[in-house]
Amino acid sequence: DAGVIQSPRHEVTEMGQEVTLRCKPISGHNSLFWYRQTMMRGLELLIYFNNNVPIDDSGMPEDRFSAKMPNASFSTLKIQPSEPRDSAVYFCASSARTSGKTDTQYFGPGTRLTVL
Amino acid sequence: DAKTTQPNSMESNEEEPVHLPCNHSTISGTDYIHWYRQLPSQGPEYVIHGLTSNVNNRMASLAIAEDRKSSTLILHRATLRDAAVYYCILRLGFGNEKLTFGTGTRLTIIP
Repeated sequence: DAGVIQSPRHEVTEMGQEVTLRCKPISGHNSLFWYRQTMMRGLELLIYFNNNVPIDDSGMPEDRFSAKMPNASFSTLKIQPSEPRDSAVYFCASSARTSGKTDTQYFGPGTRLTVL
Repeated sequence: DAKTTQPNSMESNEEEPVHLPCNHSTISGTDYIHWYRQLPSQGPEYVIHGLTSNVNNRMASLAIAEDRKSSTLILHRATLRDAAVYYCILRLGFGNEKLTFGTGTRLTIIP
């Protein structure tokens, strides 16, 4: 299996522009997570989906951030408009949630976002 | 959420065992203890998890105190590739999928 695939790997944009980060989870996994990592705040969970439905978005910083999962094999995280403080590494992870078991999360390589 | 406390950093010599401690004095009966690690410039990866009993897998061993207020991740023979940040995470079992990462322990391996 190719693992979790994220694109782009690097993104440099200017303040005010729209940014879209993409994630393809591991085939057969039914939970998907978006995390953000910065030096100041560490690794934070932004939102997670189960069976394409958002379950917990309490970590989404503000209305400029939105996430969608239109099908089991694709998710996007959008920032509009972007700000310099959004600069971070964004990770996507997926897991195969099964009843009664605690599930391993598999992380992608991340997207390094720089907002100038 | 119950919290964990880990040393900020540790050093170990290559090919020697490493014991990474984690305190979780407010752990509840349904919290699982998970360990993930993050190699430089990579996403985190799962290492091991347990509930009450000690656990072993090909990567490491997890020793859990009898009162569950602390645990230790054991790397039996550290290699340079084990240099990473190690995160000890408490996760509510059965349906709660959230992982709350702390600051972790940065492990340096000395050749």
